Amino acid sequence: NAGVTQTPKFQVLKTGQSMTLQCAQDMNHNSMYWYRQDPGMGLRLIYYSASEGTTDKGEVPNGYNVSRLNKREFSLRLESAAPSQTSVYFCASSPVLDKYYGYTFGSGTRLTVV
Amino acid sequence: EDKVVQSPLSLVVHEGDTVTLNCSYEVTNFRSLLWYKQEKKAPTFLFMLTSSGIEKKSGRLSSILDKKELFSILNITATQTGDSAIYLCAVLADSWGKLQFGAGTQVVVTP
Repeated sequence: NAGVTQTPKFQVLKTGQSMTLQCAQDMNHNSMYWYRQDPGMGLRLIYYSASEGTTDKGEVPNGYNVSRLNKREFSLRLESAAPSQTSVYFCASSPVLDKYYGYTFGSGTRLTVV
Repeated sequence: EDKVVQSPLSLVVHEGDTVTLNCSYEVTNFRSLLWYKQEKKAPTFLFMLTSSGIEKKSGRLSSILDKKELFSILNITATQTGDSAIYLCAVLADSWGKLQFGAGTQVVVTP
């Protein structure tokens, strides 16, 4: 099915461990985004990539790095996980057309850092 | 600092009731306001509103934007248990597609 694929769906890390969340879209969208969702706080932007080869910080980038490997893939890396990074992570993509900016979201990664 | 505020944060209604959700915003360079529904997993797109006063409808859901007073409402009529979800409001305020989300409204519809 066309859409945004995120892996893994669940992950438990120990404090200080590293991991990469993978995201791929097959809709030929230019822009991709990583958000985290915490109870009562909506979705907050971590990093985004407006086009292949570019990345930029969002609202809460500290503790994260990203790579836009190609047009399809946008990964999020936690170098040294902290309990404050326990959250649900969503990847999204958008065509960013003049008339439509709606996102297509991946199914999310539930990350717990202990 | 850009801000999107949703109210109420949560509500419980009975099947058949009408629900009105509010979203107010303070952003520079407003472009559009979007509504999403989130059940157990990822948010799904409901509406995008760009112009004031034009109601968008989809079945029992409708939404309208007031750019003068900087708010939007989402109405759900004749609610069903399947409408139970978190409803997210988001504002687009730049040309890169970045969305600023509100905290969401948790709606619970009881039989």
